Amino acid sequence: QKEVEQNSGPLSVPEGAIASLNCTYSDRGSQSFFWYRQYSGKSPELIMFIYSNGDKEDGRFTAQLNKASQYVSLLIRDSQPSDSATYLCAVIYAGGTSYGKLTFGQGTILTVHP
Amino acid sequence: EAGVTQFPSHSVIEKGQTVTLRCDPISGHDNLYWYRRVMGKEIKFLLHFVKESKQDESGMPNNRFLAERTGGTYSTLKVQPAELEDSGVYFCASSQDTLAGVANTGELFFGEGSRLTVL
Repeated sequence: QKEVEQNSGPLSVPEGAIASLNCTYSDRGSQSFFWYRQYSGKSPELIMFIYSNGDKEDGRFTAQLNKASQYVSLLIRDSQPSDSATYLCAVIYAGGTSYGKLTFGQGTILTVHP
Repeated sequence: EAGVTQFPSHSVIEKGQTVTLRCDPISGHDNLYWYRRVMGKEIKFLLHFVKESKQDESGMPNNRFLAERTGGTYSTLKVQPAELEDSGVYFCASSQDTLAGVANTGELFFGEGSRLTVL
């Protein structure tokens, strides 16, 4: 059973729309949650992290966390073609021996069309 | 400032051969991680170095994989002998963060990966 699940997409939205990316996780001991963006053939890069319930906003990006529902999402407002990439949800579980041990979902491919 | 660099970017070898992947972390980053993505699957953790010591190697698939980080700088990941199922993209990442707990906000800086194809 997968520990982090993402809607694999692909997700296609028009330029200027809101893109909504979703992620669920199985372990209630999860403590920190990350969204990485990966362009094709490039390295994953961190765009948002969140560890408290609620919303966290950074520019056009909003991360939402609901620990009771074991759900984390990423909203991208005013989507641009340059946002087209694979978005990776990742979690860190409490009690692990490695504080950098991320568990990733499979990623959601987002395409923003002009 | 240079990012995480990995070499080679792509390696094609035959089953049974040996391959060594190299990772140069960002200068000053004590933490170095290896991850792997096999086709159709998610990126998975392999191991974590703190300086030259292995902090966590729970993700290493079997004893055909050997990771080293002599001197606490660059790291190598050797696969010997390689099998077909070892094909995938091997990512290296580094970070400065040494804080554990809920407040962990350490960012991992990833390299572009080394693509391994075993024929």
